[in-house]
Amino acid sequence: KQEVTQIPAALSVPEGENLVLNCSFTDSAIYNLQWFRQDPGKGLTSLLLIQSSQREQTSGRLNASLDKSSGRSTLYIAASQPGDSATYLCAVFSGGYNKLIFGAGTRLAVHP
Amino acid sequence: EAQVTQNPRYLITVTGKKLTVTCSQNMNHEYMSWYRQDPGLGLRQIYYSMNVEVTDKGDVPEGYKVSRKEKRNFPLILESPSPNQTSLYFCASRTVLGTEAFFGQGTRLTVV
Repeated sequence: KQEVTQIPAALSVPEGENLVLNCSFTDSAIYNLQWFRQDPGKGLTSLLLIQSSQREQTSGRLNASLDKSSGRSTLYIAASQPGDSATYLCAVFSGGYNKLIFGAGTRLAVHP
Repeated sequence: EAQVTQNPRYLITVTGKKLTVTCSQNMNHEYMSWYRQDPGLGLRQIYYSMNVEVTDKGDVPEGYKVSRKEKRNFPLILESPSPNQTSLYFCASRTVLGTEAFFGQGTRLTVV
């Protein structure tokens, strides 16, 4: 059974810090892994998609890596800003499950 | 602009009164699905559809119905809503395996 775990559950940092959010999954047979951002009570915004054959993806200040064999992904946020405050969710898509399986998320607060 | 559109965004209803939440995507995606999000339980899949006239149960299908008569639309039907269906609902779409999932902005449903 595929399970996705995100560590830490919550993080509070001062503005300007570089951050690493962690995501691990138990079944390495995935098609892709996707990172999302969710503001309170709002929808999910896709940040980065990493295909199973890829090692990393970058978008602006965000960089996501994938190590499929060890079942891990990290989301790196450079030079954090208060506007980055949100919950970050990782999700894996495995064909055998026909769905995205989500982690519980990391709630990030960046204070000025 | 590529998007998934849900309506309504907010809905308060009474127990037993049938309702439909609509979902439409403009990306010609074959795969569509519905999730609900609850505190402490995360995102759970309700139903999914691999293509027109093909639907299947997700993890929490009880109390819900879906239909897929057209590729772009995937409505969620609550025939007799109950208070335990109070939740934040998301519709999502994607193309064939291994591509990015797009989510709607969510529907906040309250059943009293």
